[in-house]
Amino acid sequence: QSVLTQPPSVSAAPGQKVTISCSGSSSNIGNNYVSWYQQVPGTAPKLLIYDNNNRPSGIPDRFSGSKSGTSATLDITGLQTGDEADYYCGTWDSSLSGGHVFGTGTKVTVL
Amino acid sequence: QLQLQESGPGLVKPSETLSLTCSVSGGSISSSTYYWAWVRQPPGKGLEWIGSIYYSGSTYYNPSLKSRVTISVDTSRTQFSLNLNSVTASDTALYYCARHHHNPSFDYWGQGTLVTVSS
Repeated sequence: QSVLTQPPSVSAAPGQKVTISCSGSSSNIGNNYVSWYQQVPGTAPKLLIYDNNNRPSGIPDRFSGSKSGTSATLDITGLQTGDEADYYCGTWDSSLSGGHVFGTGTKVTVL
Repeated sequence: QLQLQESGPGLVKPSETLSLTCSVSGGSISSSTYYWAWVRQPPGKGLEWIGSIYYSGSTYYNPSLKSRVTISVDTSRTQFSLNLNSVTASDTALYYCARHHHNPSFDYWGQGTLVTVSS
């Protein structure tokens, strides 16, 4: 049972924008960097965003991240069929039962 | 290009020990910048961090699994390993090895290996 809550699913038409939220607390998102991962079915997760809003080399600028307080957001603009995947947020949780934690995951569907 | 590859049995009996190895190629496992980790994903479910190890051998584990987990590193063979004992059906999952920075971002992942716990 994850300490980071994401909506189960979001959808939009090609070319549109989707926003995925990740809600946590002061022991995790509130005081630590957030990263985002894309997992296409049948493949390993891929790092999309690190340190809240930075993209690794090769990740298009259609993907952007932000953080405010104890929540983080991933925006995907100019949605493409290849963006259909599961998306996870991740961070460090500094509580006694913490460690590296991931969100519950969000399925993005391109209509 | 860094590559990680998991290996180990795909079937483990209940109460026995799950053992996996991650072979690292295309980069140094002894870098002071990175940690090496195991993450698992039960079928149809989300990601769960199991534990991490530094090249020096320093480890830290998910508190919920700590009593059953041991991660070790062999820098001479550029690989690190996972042992999870007393397994049950709930340990059935796709097991990934991955690299992460001191900040919590996992930038390289293996392809994953499915481990089923069943008699």
